Amino acid sequence: LAKTTQPISMDSYEGQEVNITCSHNNIATNDYITWYQQFPSQGPRFIIQGYKTKVTNEVASLFIPADRKSSTLSLPRVSLSDTAVYYCLVGNGNNAGNMLTFGGGTRLMVKP
Amino acid sequence: NAGVMQNPRHLVRRRGQEARLRCSPMKGHSHVYWYRQLPEEGLKFMVYLQKENIIDESGMPKERFSAEFPKEGPSILRIQQVVRGDSAAYFCASSPNRGTDTQYFGPGTRLTVL
Repeated sequence: LAKTTQPISMDSYEGQEVNITCSHNNIATNDYITWYQQFPSQGPRFIIQGYKTKVTNEVASLFIPADRKSSTLSLPRVSLSDTAVYYCLVGNGNNAGNMLTFGGGTRLMVKP
Repeated sequence: NAGVMQNPRHLVRRRGQEARLRCSPMKGHSHVYWYRQLPEEGLKFMVYLQKENIIDESGMPKERFSAEFPKEGPSILRIQQVVRGDSAAYFCASSPNRGTDTQYFGPGTRLTVL
């Protein structure tokens, strides 16, 4: 089971770029990296998923180095509404218990 | 296309009663997952079901908890003889396929055991 390690919390200010790094030293060859966002009293929401190099969508970018032992979620120009918990998940879905393992997440606080 | 629906959103039970949590997946999704989240913690996987089948229940407590996803109707997570430690938020997610597909989460059911 690929375990993930993230910072417990981060603070930022509106308009700044935020980078949250996740370590996954035991990632398997066929594992994907997925990030979710969770607001208080809501279910997690998919942000982005990648396998290697860089993935970008309208919300965020995901940077994955060649060794894939870590990944960085980048949120450009955060706003107050980006205050949430961000979870990094690693797995391939073939083993449901592997793909669906949430760690403690990173609690991002965006200040005005 | 309606998202994942869960009901009730809030459920209060006394110790020893039964709790039934319902989850309707997104249209076209045949894979359902249940998670439990304690305050200030991440989600913990409980069970993964497809229509009429339990695929993986490795996260389910051995006693008092059961889940089903019948051919017709919502998925049900059932907790018998609830105890205070069962108080948590229970989230359901669905996906169209197994594998690397995104999981779509419902709003959760907050169970409080008095």
